This record gives sequence, C-alpha cells and structure tokens, in this order.
Amino acid sequence: GAGVSQSPSNKVTEKGKDVELRCDPISGHTALYWYRQRLGQGLEFLIYFQGNSAPDKSGLPSDRFSAERTGESVSTLTIQRTQQEDSAVYLCASSRDRSTDTQYFGPGTRLTVL
Amino acid sequence: SQQGEEDPQALSIQEGENATMNCSYKTSINNLQWYRQNSGRGLVHLILIRSNEREKHSGRLRVTLDTSKKSSSLLITASRAADTASYFCATEGLSNAGNMLTFGGGTRLMVKP
Repeated sequence: GAGVSQSPSNKVTEKGKDVELRCDPISGHTALYWYRQRLGQGLEFLIYFQGNSAPDKSGLPSDRFSAERTGESVSTLTIQRTQQEDSAVYLCASSRDRSTDTQYFGPGTRLTVL
Repeated sequence: SQQGEEDPQALSIQEGENATMNCSYKTSINNLQWYRQNSGRGLVHLILIRSNEREKHSGRLRVTLDTSKKSSSLLITASRAADTASYFCATEGLSNAGNMLTFGGGTRLMVKP
C-alpha cells in the first residue's frame, strides 16, 4: 500500500523567502509528526498532530515555523523568512493512532537556504 | 539536547562480519526503537523493544535493552553491503504526548564487499 509521501523532494530557496512543505500521511493514520534532521545529526521533533489539532508544538524552533493539518490528512509545514540554519531534511511520519508505537516515515524534503 | 546517543558515530566493517551499535538515553522510556536510513531515503523502522523486554530478534537483527543502564545495542549479524546505512535509536518517553520519538545522532555503518 501507499506510504507517507512528501513534496517537494528538494527545495532550494533564497534567504528571507517563505517555503511550504507538504506531507501526505498513510490513509487512516490519525497521528502525524514533523521532524527536522540537520546534516550529520539526529532527528529533532518539531510538532505532532492528533487529527487536525496539534497538542504538542514544543519542538517548533521559532515563530517563523508553523504547521497545519486539514481533513485529518495532508499537513503543511511553513517556514517564513527562511534562514541558512533552516537548511535540513524535513521528515514527516504518521501512525495509526496515539496508542500505536510504530511511526512510518516519508522520504523527506531536503531544504537548502542559500 | 538529544535523548539518545549512538556509539560509535561511524563504523566500517567487511561483509560477513557482525556490526554492533550502542545507544544510551537519559530518561525513563516506554520503548526504544531502531531505524535505518539509507542515503537520500526516509527512515525505515527495524525493531521495537519495550521497557519490560531485555532482548529481541528479527532476522539478522538482535536488540538488547538494559533499563538499569539506560542503554541498548543493535547487533547485525553476517553483514551485507546492502546494510550500509545510518542507524538511529529512538525512544518514546513516559511523559510524551502522543508517541513522538526522540532520536539520537545515529551510527553511519559502511559494509565493504
């Protein structure tokens, strides 16, 4: 069956521009997560959605970062006024519900801010 | 700061040898998971071990968990060139909302043919 998909796979942008990253979770998965992976580092948790609400936004690094989810499906992560330190791979994952242990990851979006 | 820390950061072995990667964490956990990430690809879930389990096997993978030492190890036996990837441990903490995971920095494994 279809897994988690993300788009675009690669994004190069100029400092100061806004970017929008998209995640399509596995159909029927109510929980959705965004992570960031900087080069050579582990994953950082950004935000978690249960349905369309986000009970935990504690990982968002600044107010330039925001995310939304609609229809308990697609989620978008928006970074405003991008900075070079935003360059990273942004990974999305989904799980069936909050009691399910396994998260299924998408291929990620590689963001490069020049 | 990261919950999990992998050791070593990089490991290079010959095909057929065993590879052992270690992970340490700081707080109490519900479970610990290992993931693999091939270059340019997303993460793939390998194995999950719960806090009340000590050892788990899956094919050529063997995972141990020592909650008293807050550490886990991943053993890949009879390694293959296709095992070349980065391996991450991730923990689900007791107080986490949902079941978001905290990842370590990863071990980059290279298996030479």
